[in-house]
Amino acid sequence: ILNVEQSPQSLHVQEGDSTNFTCSFPSSNFYALHWYRWETAKSPEALFVMTLNGDEKKKGRISATLNTKEGYSYLYIKGSQPEDSATYLCAFPWGTASKLTFGTGTRLQVTL
Amino acid sequence: DSGVTQTPKHLITATGQRVTLRCSPRSGDLSVYWYQQSLDQGLQFLIQYYNGEERAKGNILERFSAQQFPDLHSELNLSSLELGDSALYFCASSGGQPAELFFGEGSRLTVL
Repeated sequence: ILNVEQSPQSLHVQEGDSTNFTCSFPSSNFYALHWYRWETAKSPEALFVMTLNGDEKKKGRISATLNTKEGYSYLYIKGSQPEDSATYLCAFPWGTASKLTFGTGTRLQVTL
Repeated sequence: DSGVTQTPKHLITATGQRVTLRCSPRSGDLSVYWYQQSLDQGLQFLIQYYNGEERAKGNILERFSAQQFPDLHSELNLSSLELGDSALYFCASSGGQPAELFFGEGSRLTVL
């Protein structure tokens, strides 16, 4: 059974705070690590797909790092805004590159 | 708009019935994925097709089946429905691996 673990399960921050979440995955047979953002009543949207150890990706105020040797990825949000409120999911291909397995997510709430 | 179209958006049916959910992938995408999101559960991988062929299978029940047609649209067939099959069913497509997934808006199935 594949374990893709995300922590924390939920997070409540104030506008302007910076925050980060963790995704842990098996370090063997690494292929790729995906991050998605899922707003309430919408569909998940891709943020990053990371493939190389040490990879760092950035999109606006959101960035992610990847450590394939130890099996973790961090997602950072700088200066959180209310519109960042969403569930952030990571996903890892399990067994085959096709079987993209999602973690249970980190639910972020940003208040004024 | 992700470019992935799912129909119907909502479906209410009775136990024991059979339904078909339809998905049209983004133009040019050959891969289609199906996911199930039940109450308080994360995204559970069901099955993936690539250019008409099954590529990966998750914990899909035997009462469920899927196929991808030559025009690349896909259908998920759910039969002998039970109350526990009530869920949001997402279809996603991608252009390759490890490319990001593009999700449809989902089909919400309610079994009464």
